[in-house]
Amino acid sequence: DAGVTQSPTHLIKTRGQQVTLRCSPISGHKSVSWYQQVLGQGPQFIFQYYEKEERGRGNFPDRFSARQFPNYSSELNVNALLLGDSALYLCASSLSTGGYTFGSGTRLTVV
Amino acid sequence: GQNIDQPTEMTATEGAIVQINCTYQTSGFNGLFWYQQHAGEAPTFLSYNVLDGLEEKGRFSSFLSRSKGYSYLLLKELQMKDSASYLCADPGDGSSNTGKLIFGQGTTLQVKP
Repeated sequence: DAGVTQSPTHLIKTRGQQVTLRCSPISGHKSVSWYQQVLGQGPQFIFQYYEKEERGRGNFPDRFSARQFPNYSSELNVNALLLGDSALYLCASSLSTGGYTFGSGTRLTVV
Repeated sequence: GQNIDQPTEMTATEGAIVQINCTYQTSGFNGLFWYQQHAGEAPTFLSYNVLDGLEEKGRFSSFLSRSKGYSYLLLKELQMKDSASYLCADPGDGSSNTGKLIFGQGTTLQVKP
């Protein structure tokens, strides 16, 4: 079985640009969460979606948005990129109960 | 609110035992997760404790004391491949299944020969 898949694996963007990151959860998992991990720190919660509805939002500006599709895949969008947005963006999926499985992440570099 | 603290770095010798501590402050405690993360890779699930006491899984064990707001991860018979970051995480919104994990900063463990 495929795990949580994220694309792209690496991305370089210029300040002010917009970026879209994609995540496909494990088959059968209806919950998808997004995290930002800056080097040397633990992951920080950005969004959680369950059954296509936003269930939680972390302390991130409105430049960050996300959505979940009928097949439970998800996209994270970041507008007006800043240098500080450079990080590893992780997606995690889970069943209605149980632990979370993380994807390998998208490494975003803003220059 | 939630505040999770763990040491930033630890060093241990191959074959030894190491204990990584985690303290937390949460108003709606619903268990504590431990994840392992190798550099540049995704965090992988190690354990989830919801009741007090020690849970053992092979070389790895995790302990929880809810009254003390304290947990630790115990790694036995250390191997070089155990060199990684160990993340303590609290499901901060009162449930174990809604996707909002509050992570500590992670403890980078270096295993030396």
